[in-house]
Amino acid sequence: EPEVTQTPSHQVTQMGQEVILRCVPISNHLYFYWYRQILGQKVEFLVSFYNNEISEKSEIFDDQFSVERPDGSNFTLKIRSTKLEDSAMYFCASRGESGTEAFFGQGTRLTVV
Amino acid sequence: KQEVTQIPAALSVPEGENLVLNCSFTDSAIYNLQWFRQDPGKGLTSLLLIQSSQREQTSGRLNASLDKSSGRSTLYIAASQPGDSATYLCAVGNQGGKLIFGQGTELSVKP
Repeated sequence: EPEVTQTPSHQVTQMGQEVILRCVPISNHLYFYWYRQILGQKVEFLVSFYNNEISEKSEIFDDQFSVERPDGSNFTLKIRSTKLEDSAMYFCASRGESGTEAFFGQGTRLTVV
Repeated sequence: KQEVTQIPAALSVPEGENLVLNCSFTDSAIYNLQWFRQDPGKGLTSLLLIQSSQREQTSGRLNASLDKSSGRSTLYIAASQPGDSATYLCAVGNQGGKLIFGQGTELSVKP
């Protein structure tokens, strides 16, 4: 069964460093998303991406964040200069047509020290 | 601003019991609603998707209902099993696919 794949599963980085979280969405999907979940809190929307551009973003998604679909298969989230409060589980999701089910990856646990 | 609330926060039931999880949302202008399951430290597994025009969806032992006008959805689990133990998340979606999540109901099914 097709699935969303995220790498790495766990990343530890020093405060101020840049990190890139990687995702391979389901191959025929058109809509891509990043969410995060701080430990013990709700899953929060960060950004949606369609047709090679950001279609919606949250207040969390400031200038420190960027997304890219560098080729036909990968979808990345870059955090330019990490802060302690960026420590969270980051989930990538994708879906096919408008209004269809969203499928999530297993997440990348980011720990900023 | 859309807010999603799930009640109860935690639930413990004996195996075999039927149970209902509740989800409410403040803005009825939703495009769809999706229920997920999350195991500890893991990703989100989609269970059911209900479009705004639908009243319910069923998958195996799961049945989800939607009353958009009152801002409520329920997830009914029949004949619960220990393997159903997980956190269940409700999320409302807009047309662009952005999901707003509730805080979840942590379910424990005791053998």
